[in-house]
Amino acid sequence: NAGVTQTPKFRVLKTGQSMTLLCAQDMNHEYMYWYRQDPGMGLRLIHYSVGEGTTAKGEVPDGYNVSRLKKQNFLLGLESAAPSQTSVYFCASSKGSGTSTDTQYFGPGTRLTVL
Amino acid sequence: DQQVKQNSPSLSVQEGRISILNCDYTNSMFDYFLWYKKYPAEGPTFLISISSIKDKNEDGRFTVFLNKSAKHLSLHIVPSQPGDSAVYFCAASGGSGNTPLVFGKGTRLSVIA
Repeated sequence: NAGVTQTPKFRVLKTGQSMTLLCAQDMNHEYMYWYRQDPGMGLRLIHYSVGEGTTAKGEVPDGYNVSRLKKQNFLLGLESAAPSQTSVYFCASSKGSGTSTDTQYFGPGTRLTVL
Repeated sequence: DQQVKQNSPSLSVQEGRISILNCDYTNSMFDYFLWYKKYPAEGPTFLISISSIKDKNEDGRFTVFLNKSAKHLSLHIVPSQPGDSAVYFCAASGGSGNTPLVFGKGTRLSVIA
């Protein structure tokens, strides 16, 4: 099992450009998440999904869109990148057990720089 | 308002000694707590967890203690090893199964040989 994979690993964008980050998991997990990690800020939830075709906003959703067309994939889109979106982005997935004891498993991250 | 707080951004410990990482929370609905470990250029990995019905959970060198009345948990690493040097995140969940984890800002542990 590859677990949670993220594509690409690194990306540099110019302000105003768009891009999509891809997250894939092969654990048949129901729930998937996108976080960003900034220095001194910890992990902040951007959007999440509790099943195929569903998405919900997290703590910092502005400037991002997501889609979960297939159970195994969760896409994070930036329509018009801004320097404030320079960050490391992590995807995670969990079984979706319906209880609070649902451990999340993380991908290796995507380092995005917006100039 | 931060619901999960890790007030120490960094901690240095000598190899072989005990490392104690602390975490406080404010939401009384939280009933499950986790610690994640993160090395540079890697994603966080699950380390250990504890349910609110327990006050201690042990896994090898790692023990998590929960004090519900104080809304405080701690991670003890004994003995500390240089490979334990990483950023440790405390996380909490509760209320319903769909509630995402809430993470603290992390504590960077340096174990000095």
